[in-house]
Amino acid sequence: KNEVEQSPQNLTAQEGEFITINCSYSVGISALHWLQQHPGGGIVSLFMLSSGKKKHGRLIATINIQEKHSSLHITASHPRDSAVYICAVKGGSRLTFGEGTQLTVNP
Amino acid sequence: NAGVTQTPKFQVLKTGQSMTLQCAQDMNHNSMYWYRQDPGMGLRLIYYSASEGTTDKGEVPNGYNVSRLNKREFSLRLESAAPSQTSVYFCASSTGAGETQYFGPGTRLLVL
Repeated sequence: KNEVEQSPQNLTAQEGEFITINCSYSVGISALHWLQQHPGGGIVSLFMLSSGKKKHGRLIATINIQEKHSSLHITASHPRDSAVYICAVKGGSRLTFGEGTQLTVNP
Repeated sequence: NAGVTQTPKFQVLKTGQSMTLQCAQDMNHNSMYWYRQDPGMGLRLIYYSASEGTTDKGEVPNGYNVSRLNKREFSLRLESAAPSQTSVYFCASSTGAGETQYFGPGTRLLVL
């Protein structure tokens, strides 16, 4: 079993839909990261959080440390949100990455 | 301010050839990382450097060596390339271990 599990692996939505991507982890962590990988391959960090909730524009990330679970929500989705979303957990000095969720938003 | 830069963007090697992937950051970050990304797998850490002058093995270090040349530069060397090293390689940097990482654009390596 991977230390970091994401679901779903693939997600297709219509423009405007509310989207949720989930991340579960099996180890103790001090922080969790959400990253976005663009179709061209570039990777950018979206959030780092260790408790509660963070919001940036249409993106919201939440974490429940007791349940070892985090969610990334996208409100009013748009085709430009199409990307791979990656969850990574910080245990010690390194990050362990999930396999990613491929999101496709159709117009 | 270029962030994290990597060269080359794409490389084809024959089995047994050697090459060095270059990475540089201009954000005065202490920590730098090398990852590989393969289909169906998450990013996997090859080597990292928590600070200038130190390097440590990650999850998949076999077949690779690294040099932290100075605070800005962190290179990855393949001494004798193998087809199993065909992958996309990403360099990243952060202010400190486990903090938000900033990624380079990646290097696509094909080993024939």
